[in-house]
Amino acid sequence: GQSLEQPSEVTAVEGAIVQINCTYQTSGFYGLSWYQQHDGGAPTFLSYNALDGLEETGRFSSFLSRSDSYGYLLLQELQMKDSASYFCAVKYGGATNKLIFGTGTLLAVQP
Amino acid sequence: DVKVTQSSRYLVKRTGEKVFLECVQDMDHENMFWYRQDPGLGLRLIYFSYDVKMKEKGDIPEGYSVSREKKERFSLILESASTNQTSMYLCASSRGQRTGGEQFFGPGTRLTVL
Repeated sequence: GQSLEQPSEVTAVEGAIVQINCTYQTSGFYGLSWYQQHDGGAPTFLSYNALDGLEETGRFSSFLSRSDSYGYLLLQELQMKDSASYFCAVKYGGATNKLIFGTGTLLAVQP
Repeated sequence: DVKVTQSSRYLVKRTGEKVFLECVQDMDHENMFWYRQDPGLGLRLIYFSYDVKMKEKGDIPEGYSVSREKKERFSLILESASTNQTSMYLCASSRGQRTGGEQFFGPGTRLTVL
């Protein structure tokens, strides 16, 4: 079967750094995406890693290790507005861009 | 600004009714998707379309059908709504090539079946 595992909840304080891990087991793999979803909102794309290593985009970074079937999203200088659910998703369809999503991590940023 | 729109934000239907959920994208994307989102289960793919009139079943297609007569529009149909189809329905679209795992989502339709 196909599965992705990520923690259900994470709590951190403003200004801190938090890492959200994702391990996956899928029959096909092109890359790992991360999405953010605020309560009541639509998921929005954050990042995508097709190759091993770290990708940085402002305060957010994403890491992938294909050999370990593992990735993480790193959020630095946390702000209250970062409180949201974060989903990892494996791209398993090439041109079709099909994704399988994890169950999501609810990040609560406290003052 | 890229946009995916869905016909309703909230919908209440009765058991046995036929329900249509409409999704329109203005980005000329080849791929379109329907997901349902339930607490603790993440997003699960119901159906997927990679071209006009082309469709593929996702992970949970039972009780649903889809229609894509035009490139920009992808409809989800609940042939006979049941209470276990009460959920948030999300439509998404993406390019066909060099997509980099990015899908663009609509705001969602919260469907309640009584």
